[in-house]
Amino acid sequence: QSALTQPPSASGSPGQSVTISCTGTGSDVGGYKYVSWYQQHPGRAPKLLIYEVNKRPSGVSDRFSGSKSGNTASLTVSGLQAGDEADYYCISYAGIWVFGGGTRLTVL
Amino acid sequence: QVQLQESGPGLVKTSETLSLTCTVSGGFISSYYWTWIRQPPGKGLEWIGNIYYSGSTNYNSSLKSRVTISIDGSKNQFSLKLNSVTAADTAVYYCAREGTTYWFDPWGQGTLVTVSS
Repeated sequence: QSALTQPPSASGSPGQSVTISCTGTGSDVGGYKYVSWYQQHPGRAPKLLIYEVNKRPSGVSDRFSGSKSGNTASLTVSGLQAGDEADYYCISYAGIWVFGGGTRLTVL
Repeated sequence: QVQLQESGPGLVKTSETLSLTCTVSGGFISSYYWTWIRQPPGKGLEWIGNIYYSGSTNYNSSLKSRVTISIDGSKNQFSLKLNSVTAADTAVYYCAREGTTYWFDPWGQGTLVTVSS
Protein backbone atom coordinates (compact mmCIF):
# COMPACT_ATOMS: atom_id res chain seq x y z
CA GLN A 1 0.00 0.00 0.00
CA SER A 2 1.37 3.43 -0.94
CA ALA A 3 1.60 6.21 1.58
CA LEU A 4 -1.19 8.76 1.86
CA THR A 5 -0.41 12.09 0.19
CA GLN A 6 -0.38 15.24 2.30
CA PRO A 7 0.89 18.68 1.29
CA PRO A 8 4.28 19.26 2.92
CA SER A 9 3.24 22.63 4.26
CA ALA A 10 0.25 24.81 5.03
CA SER A 11 -0.11 28.21 6.62
CA GLY A 12 -2.61 30.73 7.86
CA SER A 13 -2.92 33.83 9.99
CA PRO A 14 -4.29 33.82 13.53
CA GLY A 15 -8.06 33.53 13.52
CA GLN A 16 -8.23 32.10 10.02
CA SER A 17 -9.16 28.53 9.02
CA VAL A 18 -6.81 26.12 7.31
CA THR A 19 -7.62 22.78 5.69
CA ILE A 20 -5.06 20.00 5.28
CA SER A 21 -5.78 17.26 2.76
CA CYS A 22 -4.89 13.58 2.87
CA THR A 23 -5.32 11.72 -0.40
CA GLY A 24 -5.34 7.96 -0.72
CA THR A 25 -7.17 5.48 -2.91
CA GLY A 26 -10.41 3.58 -2.94
CA SER A 27 -8.56 0.78 -1.15
CA ASP A 28 -7.81 2.86 1.93
CA VAL A 29 -9.22 6.35 2.58
CA GLY A 30 -12.06 5.97 0.10
CA GLY A 31 -13.08 2.51 1.16
CA TYR A 32 -13.06 2.74 4.93
CA LYS A 33 -14.13 5.13 7.69
CA TYR A 34 -10.94 4.57 9.67
CA VAL A 35 -9.04 7.80 9.09
CA SER A 36 -7.40 9.49 12.05
CA TRP A 37 -5.44 12.71 12.44
CA TYR A 38 -2.58 13.54 14.80
CA GLN A 39 -0.85 16.74 15.90
CA GLN A 40 2.85 16.63 16.72
CA HIS A 41 4.74 19.53 18.26
CA PRO A 42 8.56 19.49 17.95
CA GLY A 43 10.14 16.98 20.31
CA ARG A 44 6.77 15.67 21.44
CA ALA A 45 4.76 12.54 20.77
CA PRO A 46 1.84 12.72 18.33
CA LYS A 47 -1.55 13.50 19.84
CA LEU A 48 -4.84 12.09 18.54
CA LEU A 49 -7.12 14.85 17.19
CA ILE A 50 -9.69 13.04 15.05
CA TYR A 51 -10.70 9.39 14.59
CA GLU A 52 -13.19 7.63 12.33
CA VAL A 53 -12.92 10.54 9.85
CA ASN A 54 -14.76 13.14 11.94
CA LYS A 55 -14.95 12.14 15.60
CA ARG A 56 -13.14 14.12 18.29
CA PRO A 57 -11.80 12.49 21.43
CA SER A 58 -12.80 14.02 24.72
CA GLY A 59 -10.65 17.04 25.48
CA VAL A 60 -9.80 17.96 21.88
CA SER A 61 -10.88 21.46 20.89
CA ASP A 62 -13.86 21.76 18.56
CA ARG A 63 -11.70 24.03 16.42
CA PHE A 64 -10.41 20.78 14.90
CA SER A 65 -12.76 19.00 12.53
CA GLY A 66 -12.46 16.17 10.02
CA SER A 67 -14.26 15.20 6.86
CA LYS A 68 -13.92 12.94 3.83
CA SER A 69 -14.92 13.11 0.21
CA GLY A 70 -14.11 10.21 -2.05
CA ASN A 71 -10.47 9.24 -1.62
CA THR A 72 -9.50 12.46 0.19
CA ALA A 73 -9.80 13.12 3.91
CA SER A 74 -9.39 16.61 5.30
CA LEU A 75 -8.55 18.21 8.62
CA THR A 76 -9.77 21.76 9.20
CA VAL A 77 -8.30 23.93 11.91
CA SER A 78 -10.54 26.92 12.64
CA GLY A 79 -9.65 30.06 14.57
CA LEU A 80 -5.93 29.46 14.12
CA GLN A 81 -3.81 30.04 17.20
CA ALA A 82 -0.04 30.18 17.65
CA GLY A 83 -0.14 26.88 19.51
CA ASP A 84 -1.55 25.15 16.43
CA GLU A 85 1.83 25.45 14.73
CA ALA A 86 2.89 21.81 14.48
CA ASP A 87 3.13 18.82 12.16
CA TYR A 88 -0.10 17.03 11.30
CA TYR A 89 -0.36 13.42 10.17
CA CYS A 90 -3.22 11.41 8.73
CA ILE A 91 -3.37 7.64 9.16
CA SER A 92 -5.76 5.19 7.58
CA TYR A 93 -6.51 1.58 8.41
CA ALA A 94 -7.55 -0.62 5.52
CA GLY A 95 -6.51 -4.05 6.58
CA ILE A 96 -3.05 -2.59 6.94
CA TRP A 97 -1.90 0.73 8.31
CA VAL A 98 -1.18 3.50 5.78
CA PHE A 99 0.43 6.73 6.92
CA GLY A 100 0.55 10.21 5.44
CA GLY A 101 3.88 11.97 5.11
CA GLY A 102 2.89 14.85 7.34
CA THR A 103 2.06 18.54 6.88
CA ARG A 104 3.86 21.34 8.69
CA LEU A 105 1.35 24.02 9.67
CA THR A 106 2.77 27.50 10.12
CA VAL A 107 0.81 30.25 11.85
CA LEU A 108 1.89 33.50 10.22
CA GLN B 1 -5.79 7.61 32.68
CA VAL B 2 -3.62 5.15 30.77
CA GLN B 3 0.00 6.19 30.32
CA LEU B 4 2.78 4.52 28.36
CA GLN B 5 6.53 4.77 28.89
CA GLU B 6 9.27 3.41 26.66
CA SER B 7 12.57 2.23 28.09
CA GLY B 8 15.76 0.74 26.70
CA PRO B 9 19.25 1.58 25.42
CA GLY B 10 19.65 4.80 23.49
CA LEU B 11 22.62 3.50 21.52
CA VAL B 12 22.86 0.21 19.65
CA LYS B 13 25.75 -1.04 17.57
CA THR B 14 25.34 -1.85 13.90
CA SER B 15 24.24 -5.46 13.26
CA GLU B 16 23.13 -5.95 16.87
CA THR B 17 19.61 -6.16 18.32
CA LEU B 18 17.53 -3.17 19.40
CA SER B 19 15.41 -3.97 22.46
CA LEU B 20 12.75 -1.70 23.95
CA THR B 21 10.04 -2.15 26.54
CA CYS B 22 6.81 -0.21 26.95
CA THR B 23 5.27 -0.10 30.41
CA VAL B 24 1.53 0.56 30.65
CA SER B 25 0.24 2.28 33.79
CA GLY B 26 -3.17 3.47 34.88
CA GLY B 27 -4.94 0.57 33.22
CA PHE B 28 -4.66 -3.06 32.24
CA ILE B 29 -2.95 -4.31 29.12
CA SER B 30 -5.82 -6.65 28.32
CA SER B 31 -8.41 -6.16 25.57
CA TYR B 32 -6.42 -3.89 23.29
CA TYR B 33 -3.80 -4.04 20.57
CA TRP B 34 -0.49 -2.42 21.53
CA THR B 35 1.67 -0.89 18.83
CA TRP B 36 5.21 0.22 18.06
CA ILE B 37 5.72 3.16 15.69
CA ARG B 38 8.99 4.86 14.79
CA GLN B 39 10.06 8.21 13.37
CA PRO B 40 13.51 8.77 11.84
CA PRO B 41 14.94 12.21 12.64
CA GLY B 42 13.18 14.86 10.57
CA LYS B 43 10.95 12.31 8.85
CA GLY B 44 7.45 10.88 9.09
CA LEU B 45 5.91 8.06 11.08
CA GLU B 46 6.28 4.36 10.29
CA TRP B 47 4.20 1.56 11.79
CA ILE B 48 6.38 -1.31 13.00
CA GLY B 49 3.85 -3.79 14.33
CA ASN B 50 1.36 -4.60 17.04
CA ILE B 51 0.40 -7.26 19.55
CA TYR B 52 -2.89 -8.24 21.16
CA TYR B 53 -2.94 -9.13 24.82
CA SER B 54 -3.45 -12.75 23.76
CA GLY B 55 -0.06 -12.65 22.06
CA SER B 56 -1.27 -12.43 18.46
CA THR B 57 1.02 -10.20 16.38
CA ASN B 58 1.06 -8.27 13.10
CA TYR B 59 4.17 -6.76 11.54
CA ASN B 60 5.06 -4.26 8.82
CA SER B 61 5.97 -6.41 5.84
CA SER B 62 9.14 -4.39 5.24
CA LEU B 63 10.44 -5.19 8.75
CA LYS B 64 8.83 -8.57 9.37
CA SER B 65 11.98 -10.63 8.99
CA ARG B 66 13.75 -8.64 11.72
CA VAL B 67 10.99 -7.78 14.22
CA THR B 68 9.58 -9.56 17.25
CA ILE B 69 6.96 -8.05 19.55
CA SER B 70 6.06 -9.78 22.78
CA ILE B 71 3.80 -9.08 25.76
CA ASP B 72 3.97 -9.73 29.50
CA GLY B 73 0.55 -9.24 31.03
CA SER B 74 1.81 -9.87 34.55
CA LYS B 75 4.07 -6.83 34.26
CA ASN B 76 1.72 -4.76 32.09
CA GLN B 77 4.52 -4.49 29.53
CA PHE B 78 5.10 -5.20 25.87
CA SER B 79 8.42 -5.27 24.09
CA LEU B 80 10.08 -4.75 20.74
CA LYS B 81 13.13 -6.51 19.36
CA LEU B 82 14.63 -5.48 16.03
CA ASN B 83 17.66 -7.43 14.94
CA SER B 84 20.48 -6.78 12.49
CA VAL B 85 20.07 -3.02 12.85
CA THR B 86 21.71 -0.46 10.58
CA ALA B 87 21.92 3.32 10.63
CA ALA B 88 18.57 3.39 8.82
CA ASP B 89 16.95 2.11 12.03
CA THR B 90 17.98 5.24 13.92
CA ALA B 91 14.71 6.80 15.03
CA VAL B 92 12.49 7.87 17.86
CA TYR B 93 10.53 4.78 18.84
CA TYR B 94 7.02 5.23 20.22
CA CYS B 95 4.68 2.76 21.83
CA ALA B 96 0.96 3.39 21.66
CA ARG B 97 -2.40 1.81 22.37
CA GLU B 98 -4.47 0.96 19.34
CA GLY B 99 -8.14 1.78 19.70
CA THR B 100 -10.95 -0.58 18.77
CA THR B 101 -11.83 1.57 15.75
CA TYR B 102 -8.28 1.98 14.52
CA TRP B 103 -6.62 4.96 16.11
CA PHE B 104 -3.56 5.41 18.34
CA ASP B 105 -4.02 6.88 21.79
CA PRO B 106 -2.30 7.38 24.12
CA TRP B 107 1.32 7.43 22.99
CA GLY B 108 4.47 7.09 25.03
CA GLN B 109 6.81 10.07 25.06
CA GLY B 110 9.15 8.28 22.65
CA THR B 111 12.75 7.21 22.99
CA LEU B 112 15.56 8.01 20.56
CA VAL B 113 17.60 5.00 19.52
CA THR B 114 20.79 5.69 17.61
CA VAL B 115 22.48 2.92 15.65
CA SER B 116 26.19 3.42 15.25
CA SER B 117 29.28 1.35 14.84
